[in-house]
Amino acid sequence: AQTVTQSQPEMSVQEAETVTLSCTYDTSESDYYLFWYKQPPSRQMILVIRQEAYKQQNATENRFSVNFQKAAKSFSLKISDSQLGDAAMYFCAYAGNQFYFGTGTSLTVIP
Amino acid sequence: EAGVAQSPRYKIIEKRQSVAFWCNPISGHATLYWYQQILGQGPKLLIQFQNNGVVDDSQLPKDRFSAERLKGVDSTLKIQPAKLEDSAVYLCASRYQGNTEAFFGQGTRLTVV
Repeated sequence: AQTVTQSQPEMSVQEAETVTLSCTYDTSESDYYLFWYKQPPSRQMILVIRQEAYKQQNATENRFSVNFQKAAKSFSLKISDSQLGDAAMYFCAYAGNQFYFGTGTSLTVIP
Repeated sequence: EAGVAQSPRYKIIEKRQSVAFWCNPISGHATLYWYQQILGQGPKLLIQFQNNGVVDDSQLPKDRFSAERLKGVDSTLKIQPAKLEDSAVYLCASRYQGNTEAFFGQGTRLTVV
């Protein structure tokens, strides 16, 4: 079975600084996708970034980028120039035959 | 494009009562998921539909939970009878095909007292 592990329950970052959220996963599938979702207090899950496993190039979306290490089954999210609006729960998700989530990392942005 | 619609947004029931949640996915999305998210935890997959067929319901407590997706469009999730530990947010998500992200509704917050 696929599992997704986020080892950092809570993280904090100073506004305008950079923070990295960690995620590891376990799978025997060869074709899959990885995602980072943001969930603010409103509960709405918002897609932050996605990575296709067959692509070696790391995905970037404005201030958000990932470090995808397929052999190590690692998928970390880097947020640059952190803003107050980035404060939320962040979930790493694995999508193969099913769609699984990690336990989440609560990010606090300090003004 | 309209998003995933869920109703109700909030529901409070007493234990042993029954409750039903409704989800209307994005038009054309064949895959539909129901997740249970307990406060402070990540979403737990309850059931996955592909069109109107069940792909995975291994984590659905079938003695009290049931779900259906008639005609492969909207879906209902039912709990009967509810227990205190069922208090959670129930999220519905839909997906166009295997290489795309899932889109989520705003969820239904269930409180069982």
